[in-house]
Amino acid sequence: NAGVTQTPKFQVLKTGQSMTLQCAQDMNHNSMYWYRQDPGMGLRLIYYSASEGTTDKGEVPNGYNVSRLNKREFSLRLESAAPSQTSVYFCASSEGATRDRVEAFFGQGTRLTVV
Amino acid sequence: LAKTTQPISMDSYEGQEVNITCSHNNIATNDYITWYQQFPSQGPRFIIQGYKTKVTNEVASLFIPADRKSSTLSLPRVSLSDTAVYYCLVAANTGFQKLVFGTGTRLLVSP
Repeated sequence: NAGVTQTPKFQVLKTGQSMTLQCAQDMNHNSMYWYRQDPGMGLRLIYYSASEGTTDKGEVPNGYNVSRLNKREFSLRLESAAPSQTSVYFCASSEGATRDRVEAFFGQGTRLTVV
Repeated sequence: LAKTTQPISMDSYEGQEVNITCSHNNIATNDYITWYQQFPSQGPRFIIQGYKTKVTNEVASLFIPADRKSSTLSLPRVSLSDTAVYYCLVAANTGFQKLVFGTGTRLLVSP
């Protein structure tokens, strides 16, 4: 059971380049999230998808776009990378709340450096 | 969403009990309190969740007073491997949860 898989694990971009971070989950979860984490900081929500076919902005959406390709996959696109987007990006998924858990499962992260 | 406030950092020594308190004054009736743990270079992972009173599992205990405006994560007899960042989240127990993580509490356990 792979859980949440992110690709790539590492990436170096030049300012102005574009790229797409891929995320896939195999737990049949409805909700998916993208976060960024700067050094020594907490996680900040970029975009989320409550269910297949829907996406919404989180706390820091500027400079990013997302696509919920299907129930399994949720991609994050940087159209024109900037040094301020240097960060570790985490994808997460969640089934939703139950009486036992409100639990999100996270991928291993993508370390992005923009030079 | 209820805003949460927790200490930025805490220090402890191996074998001690550590209590991390989170304030969530605007918690709603159907909100649950959830704690996550994040080790360096990894994504966060769920450790415990509660609604009221006390919850205990193999990792930690969670104490929630009757007014639910705060909660305390208790880690018994910490070890070096408990060095991590601990996040307190408040989210509803129905439907979609917009999971917003704050800055968390950075716990450093020393020998």
